Amino acid sequence: AQRVTQPEKLLSVFKGAPVELKCNYSYSGSPELFWYVQYSRQRLQLLLRHISRESIKGFTADLNKGETSFHLKKPFAQEEDSAMYYCALSRGSYIPTFGRGTSLIVHP
Amino acid sequence: DADVTQTPRNRITKTGKRIMLECSQTKGHDRMYWYRQDPGLGLQLIYYSFDVKDINKGEISDGYSVSRQAQAKFSLSLESAIPNQTALYFCATSGTQGNEQFFGPGTRLTVL
Repeated sequence: AQRVTQPEKLLSVFKGAPVELKCNYSYSGSPELFWYVQYSRQRLQLLLRHISRESIKGFTADLNKGETSFHLKKPFAQEEDSAMYYCALSRGSYIPTFGRGTSLIVHP
Repeated sequence: DADVTQTPRNRITKTGKRIMLECSQTKGHDRMYWYRQDPGLGLQLIYYSFDVKDINKGEISDGYSVSRQAQAKFSLSLESAIPNQTALYFCATSGTQGNEQFFGPGTRLTVL
């Protein structure tokens, strides 16, 4: 069975500090991994996916198959980054599995 | 812009009542999903549908049913609402070009 684990429910940092939101997965095949973000009172939206290897809003995430991780990183957090972040895994049949989410709070 | 919409946005109801939440999309996507979001539990998949004649149970389908009336419409029903179904419900779609999910704005349901 596929599983996504986000070990931190809450991550609190100060503006300008580095941020790392952890995501570990278990899946026997080749995963497709995503990070979604939900700002206050807004719908969930895609932040980035591992196959595109992009940097979105300063965030990056690298798939580490050896450690089965897909951690989300940003070198300098901004207050507007405060949101709920979900890691998600999709397999070929298009049925996604979401982690329980990490709430990021960036203090001024 | 193509979108995913949900009605109602907020609903308060009583235990035992039947409730229907509706989802419509103009994205032209075949795949549609219903999730519930609870604090600390993240998103849990209730039902999903890959086309009009396809309905599948997700992780937590007990107490829920769905109807795919058309490619663009996917409704979620609570036949007899109970308080632990109080949650935020999201509809989502995905297309054939990848597994990205496009979410609706959510329906906040409170069962008293």
